[in-house]
Amino acid sequence: AQSVAQPEDQVNVAEGNPLTVKCTYSVSGNPYLFWYVQYPNRGLQFLLKYITGDNLVKGSYGFEAEFNKSQTSFHLKKPSALVSDSALYFCAVRDGLLGYQLIWGAGTKLIIKP
Amino acid sequence: KAGVTQTPRYLIKTRGQQVTLSCSPISGHRSVSWYQQTPGQGLQFLFEYFSETQRNKGNFPGRFSGRQFSNSRSEMNVSTLELGDSALYLCASAGLTDTQYFGPGTRLTVL
Repeated sequence: AQSVAQPEDQVNVAEGNPLTVKCTYSVSGNPYLFWYVQYPNRGLQFLLKYITGDNLVKGSYGFEAEFNKSQTSFHLKKPSALVSDSALYFCAVRDGLLGYQLIWGAGTKLIIKP
Repeated sequence: KAGVTQTPRYLIKTRGQQVTLSCSPISGHRSVSWYQQTPGQGLQFLFEYFSETQRNKGNFPGRFSGRQFSNSRSEMNVSTLELGDSALYLCASAGLTDTQYFGPGTRLTVL
């Protein structure tokens, strides 16, 4: 069965430091991987995706993610965190066989401290 | 382009009632998906419609249903509401790319 794991419920980072939010996946076939961000009382905003090609994917707001097939991981990164990056981050995987159905991780709360 | 819109934004219902939520996708998008978000279960897929046909369905009881119209607008209906149906219901649309874009959600509270 397809699944996504975000092993950290919360990540705390000081402003200006690099941040990493972890995601691992299990899916049959080639994975389509996504990161979304959710601010309080808001819907989900698309950050970036990996479909194929370069393992390092660049997205919105300075975020990037590295696809690692051998470790089945897709960690979200940013070189220098901003207080405004504080939000809930979700990793998701779409199995091409399932149409546009996304399977979600539990989410990681990112807190950036000034 | 206008984003995905959902109406209403907030709803309060009582147990046993039914509710209809509406979603207007981004212009040109033919796929509309619905998700339920709760603190306990996280984000769960309800169903996906593509060109007025249900293409995928998640593991929810038959009380949850949906439909899509010829203009790609979609509605979801929940009948015989239960307390556990209280959640944020999110709609997402997708076009020719593999990316789903989400609306702001409808917050349903069942009393």
